[in-house]
Amino acid sequence: NAGVTQTPKFRILKIGQSMTLQCAQDMNHNYMYWYRQDPGMGLKLIYYSVGAGITDKGEVPNGYNVSRSTTEDFPLRLELAAPSQTSVYFCASSTTGGSAEAFFGQGTRLTVV
Amino acid sequence: DQQVKQNSPSLSVQEGRISILNCDYTNSMFDYFLWYKKYPAEGPTFLISISSIKDKNEDGRFTVFLNKSAKHLSLHIVPSQPGDSAVYFCAARALNDYKLSFGAGTTVTVRA
Repeated sequence: NAGVTQTPKFRILKIGQSMTLQCAQDMNHNYMYWYRQDPGMGLKLIYYSVGAGITDKGEVPNGYNVSRSTTEDFPLRLELAAPSQTSVYFCASSTTGGSAEAFFGQGTRLTVV
Repeated sequence: DQQVKQNSPSLSVQEGRISILNCDYTNSMFDYFLWYKKYPAEGPTFLISISSIKDKNEDGRFTVFLNKSAKHLSLHIVPSQPGDSAVYFCAARALNDYKLSFGAGTTVTVRA
């Protein structure tokens, strides 16, 4: 059972480049999330989705875009990379809100130089 | 504005002793609380949770206590083991909301 899979694990981008962080889950979860973790900080919510075709902004959405065309996939797009986007990115999924905990992927470490 | 706060960035404890991790929150709408454990180069994994209708939840060596009036919760690990060395995140969610607010984490080191 793969759970939540993120690719790539590491990436170095130059300022102004763009890239897509991939996230896929095989648990048939409706809810999916993108978080970023900066050193010494907790996880900050970037975007989330409550189902295919539905996305919404979290706490720190600027500089990012998402789409949710299927239940399984929730890619995160960086259009013009900036040094402030250097971080570790985590994708997560969960079942209906309630008491269901979120399952996290292994993370993508992104460095923008 | 940080709604979930873990004021101790690190904790060092001897193997076999108790580890106590603290967490405070400011949002009175939070009604469900979770603890996550994170090893280096891995994603957070769920450890234990508690609903606001309870004041204690126990799972093996892990117990979470909730004091709603003080807006405070704590995680007790007894006895602490070397494999417990990790970063522990406190998280909270409001009723009918699926988005989690996280604290900054506490790094626990268990000494042999």
